[in-house]
Amino acid sequence: AQKITQTQPGMFVQEKEAVTLDCTYDTSDQSYGLFWYKQPSSGEMIFLIYQGSYDEQNATEGRYSLNFQKARKSANLVISASQLGDSAMYFCAMRESRDFGNEKLTFGTGTRLTIIP
Amino acid sequence: DAGVIQSPRHEVTEMGQEVTLRCKPISGHDYLFWYRQTMMRGLELLIYFNNNVPIDDSGMPEDRFSAKMPNASFSTLKIQPSEPRDSAVYFCASSFGTGPRNEQFFGPGTRLTVL
Repeated sequence: AQKITQTQPGMFVQEKEAVTLDCTYDTSDQSYGLFWYKQPSSGEMIFLIYQGSYDEQNATEGRYSLNFQKARKSANLVISASQLGDSAMYFCAMRESRDFGNEKLTFGTGTRLTIIP
Repeated sequence: DAGVIQSPRHEVTEMGQEVTLRCKPISGHDYLFWYRQTMMRGLELLIYFNNNVPIDDSGMPEDRFSAKMPNASFSTLKIQPSEPRDSAVYFCASSFGTGPRNEQFFGPGTRLTVL
């Protein structure tokens, strides 16, 4: 079974609108961490935001926020007021507690977001 | 501060040739990761090191692939002999310390094409 599932291979969003990128995960661990990375067309992977499984508040970083629903095992990325520069691939990733100390991340297949002017 | 540095950025080679990819992690980081990204398989972890010691190489596809980290500031990923199916973008990433919050910092990647 996939540990990280991103069901939206591609999305088109009008500039200035908010966008939600879906991510569901599968783990039996109680302690884990969830990450979102952005990969623009230039190719580099850029860390965006982190959510810990025990964090009581949803993570926020500027225009990025994470809609964390633990019971549903979902960690959706929300981008507010989208900009043309947000066009990129977005990857959800997880580190399970068995991997704490091993630092291993498992990545989803990604969602390609295109912002339309 | 310099990020993770990879060289070369692009490599085109012929099947059967040896390919060496290089990585300089962020200074002070004690973990180093090699990933491969393809359209078919997405982002795969090949191998990672902690304090220059290989910890998990279960993602290395076969014996043609080898990785070394002779010191804290340099690592290589070697493919010998290369095959067309090795064509991919290879990323190096580094991180510091342990814990759930530690993000990995990625280099710009090396785009490898094997003809």
